[in-house]
Amino acid sequence: QITLKESGPTLVKPTQTLTLTCTFSGFSLSTSGVGVDWIRQPPGKALEWLALIYWDNDKRYSPSLKSRLTITKDTSKNQVVLTMTNMDPVDTATYYCAHRQLAAAIDYWGQGTLVTVSS
Amino acid sequence: DIQMTQSPSTLSASVGDRVTITCRASQSISIWLAWYQQKPGKAPKLLIYKASSLESGVPSRFSGSGSGTEFTLTISSLQPDDFATYYCQQYNSYSTFGPGTKVDIK
Repeated sequence: QITLKESGPTLVKPTQTLTLTCTFSGFSLSTSGVGVDWIRQPPGKALEWLALIYWDNDKRYSPSLKSRLTITKDTSKNQVVLTMTNMDPVDTATYYCAHRQLAAAIDYWGQGTLVTVSS
Repeated sequence: DIQMTQSPSTLSASVGDRVTITCRASQSISIWLAWYQQKPGKAPKLLIYKASSLESGVPSRFSGSGSGTEFTLTISSLQPDDFATYYCQQYNSYSTFGPGTKVDIK
């Protein structure tokens, strides 16, 4: 059974760096073809894809946010970490991590974590 | 960047109605398109992948079609549990979600 759970601060100040951790079970990021995505959703708005890391450490980023994002993995801990620099109130959103396979759709999602950016 | 659009943005329908949502990509994405259903406060749920493949456990009243730049999601007979927001997502290049279509009660 595949499960994912996001963790991190619920409140960050403008200009700070956000660090979110996705802890998962039921699969390994050392298995060929496996990937973990990050997606966010501002309150009442649409989903926005952020980043993806594959088992082979191939990383993909949203072109519009690439300069602010870093995605890393710790295979031994079954974790993926997303950092986003220079946070702004418009970055207030529910942040999700999710599982996918190479050339496949996202099939399992975490429950999401709401991050509010405010001074 | 590949941009995704959806129409309509809101759809009012009744139980039993046939519902069709359209998704368009700004350039060809072959069949690398998924459809998700999202209810308030919940994570999205995968319905359709590779444009027309039904995810395991998803009712057969949901179907997808299309290739290239134009895609549709059809619900053959709308059920009470289907009132939700639907998103398309391309995964041909990076990944992009559409703006969503809210299906509400007429």
